Amino acid sequence: KAGVTQTPRYLIKTRGQQVTLSCSPISGHRSVSWYQQTPGQGLQFLFEYFSETQRNKGNFPGRFSGRQFSNSRSEMNVSTLELGDSALYLCASSFVIEDTQYFGPGTRLTVL
Amino acid sequence: DQQVKQNSPSLSVQEGRISILNCDYTNSMFDYFLWYKKYPAEGPTFLISISSIKDKNEDGRFTVFLNKSAKHLSLHIVPSQPGDSAVYFCAASAPENNDMRFGAGTRLTVKP
Repeated sequence: KAGVTQTPRYLIKTRGQQVTLSCSPISGHRSVSWYQQTPGQGLQFLFEYFSETQRNKGNFPGRFSGRQFSNSRSEMNVSTLELGDSALYLCASSFVIEDTQYFGPGTRLTVL
Repeated sequence: DQQVKQNSPSLSVQEGRISILNCDYTNSMFDYFLWYKKYPAEGPTFLISISSIKDKNEDGRFTVFLNKSAKHLSLHIVPSQPGDSAVYFCAASAPENNDMRFGAGTRLTVKP
């Protein structure tokens, strides 16, 4: 069974731009969570989706948004990028919410 | 490719006893290891870490042991408390890219 895939793996943007990251969960998994990982802040929770609905949301500004499609694939969007948004963005999928989570390899975003 | 594996999806222990959560990894380049704890409807929070130059790190009731030759680490919680009931993730990173790889998590239940 294929694991969680995230695209792109690496991305370089400039301040003010916007970016969309994609996550494909393990086949059959309906829950997708997004995390931001930075050396200073560690792992921070962004949001969690289940059956196309956002179920939980972390403490991030409205510039961070996401959605989930009917095939459980999820996208995360960050608008008006700031230097501090440079981080590794991780996606994790699980069969249902609060089930075992499987992490993808992450997308490393660099904002210049 | 699961480079970090937590082979026990769940663990149940009695309050006051020791909880031992295990984690195995395959990439010999990993040099920094972390444990995260996740409560329902919340994102993971950092618990304890260890670098490859050490084989033990202790913080209160939590101790992480690293066996580099076996590519194995474990988290010991002594004594276990009901509030420790959560999902515990093991994570590892390599120096060349700092990208993190996560295990699937182990759900710990501490019974009163």
